Amino acid sequence: DTGVSQNPRHKITKRGQNVTFRCDPISEHNRLYWYRQTLGQGPEFLTYFQNEAQLEKSRLLSDRFSAERPKGSFSTLEIQRTEQGDSAMYLCASSLDHRDTGYTFGSGTRLTVV
Amino acid sequence: DAKTTQPPSMDCAEGRAANLPCNHSTISGNEYVYWYRQIHSQGPQYIIHGLKNNETNEMASLIITEDRKSSTLILPHATLRDTAVYYCIVRVADRGTRSQGGSEKLVFGKGTKLTVNP
Repeated sequence: DTGVSQNPRHKITKRGQNVTFRCDPISEHNRLYWYRQTLGQGPEFLTYFQNEAQLEKSRLLSDRFSAERPKGSFSTLEIQRTEQGDSAMYLCASSLDHRDTGYTFGSGTRLTVV
Repeated sequence: DAKTTQPPSMDCAEGRAANLPCNHSTISGNEYVYWYRQIHSQGPQYIIHGLKNNETNEMASLIITEDRKSSTLILPHATLRDTAVYYCIVRVADRGTRSQGGSEKLVFGKGTKLTVNP
């Protein structure tokens, strides 16, 4: 396993369009997280899944955002009706629930809304 | 809001020890101290974590004061590849019990930008 994989690496979209990002976690990790990072800031938590259940959501996750993890493996993050303020790096991370050795992050998807 | 305070930037000479401080004066008894770093254009990378004892692994050492209100991350022999933003985070140890304050989220501050110079 080569770690957490995110696709695409970069996405440019026009304001008002919908976008979807994919995250493939480390295969044995049952916990999956989405974070957002804007320039000069630390990552901000968006949401967390344990297996297929979405157990925690940030208030940053407006109704235009939806995340799924249908079979407890990969996850998708969709943003509808994108706005320029959505431009950011979207990071995915995964972890095991019985080993507190930290999260493994992917390299992120950089979204630019023009 | 982040519960930690870190200097915005530090410099270190290559081959020397880098000592990165973090204040967490409001830390609770059930909160761990975590350190992550983020190299430009990559996702954060876990370094080390601890509760109250000093910890060491292949990447770094973590020194936590006796009162647990501050800690220091030590990179014993810094290399140019250690140039990154270093984040100090406190998080409740009981990850699964939300009624006890457990949460899965990591709250990142702005971190310390460490520059290792040749």
